[in-house]
Amino acid sequence: ETGVTQSPTHLIKTRGQQVTLRCSSQSGHNTVSWYQQALGQGPQFIFQYYREEENGRGNFPPRFSGLQFPNYSSELNVNALELDDSALYLCASSSHGDRGAKNIQYFGAGTRLSVL
Amino acid sequence: KQEVTQIPAALSVPEGENLVLNCSFTDSAIYNLQWFRQDPGKGLTSLLLIQSSQREQTSGRLNASLDKSSGRSTLYIAASQPGDSATYLCAVQGGSEKLVFGKGTKLTVNP
Repeated sequence: ETGVTQSPTHLIKTRGQQVTLRCSSQSGHNTVSWYQQALGQGPQFIFQYYREEENGRGNFPPRFSGLQFPNYSSELNVNALELDDSALYLCASSSHGDRGAKNIQYFGAGTRLSVL
Repeated sequence: KQEVTQIPAALSVPEGENLVLNCSFTDSAIYNLQWFRQDPGKGLTSLLLIQSSQREQTSGRLNASLDKSSGRSTLYIAASQPGDSATYLCAVQGGSEKLVFGKGTKLTVNP
């Protein structure tokens, strides 16, 4: 148990719809990162949020957006869903700026999104 | 652009065997390297984190080494067990706080 919780665990949507995924970070962590993991691939960085602002973004289009709340929980929103958006979406929490041993990113169990 | 490669992509061994998983990365300017375990359809469990100034880390039957100058890391698993069957992912962290992952090695330990 990492203390990072994601909801929902599974989701089925159709092409063109919008989806919101949620993540609660581990106690004491102020940074949330989101990753997309397609089947058979390693996770790909989508973006990171720190102090309610985006703090780095990977190679994902603007229809992927996010929010971070004052309690450090976070949402990932995806608009105009495409078939290729089907993946496991992982959330990780950490403490910003500490790149030493303490900056272990703790991952949630993920949300499995299927786009039909 | 940082790229992480893991070899082999899949590995099947009999129970009790010692084994080595390999990870290489293209940019040696990293802060740390982590090894994760992922069970099918599940999230990631951090196994070991090696800071850039360290050469190795050990946890139980696991030992990870890091040679930053050559861009390589290995994960050594001693006396493998069927419960070790999973996908093992290597990830590096550089100047930004994002992790760059390899595609993983799928390990099967046969009873």
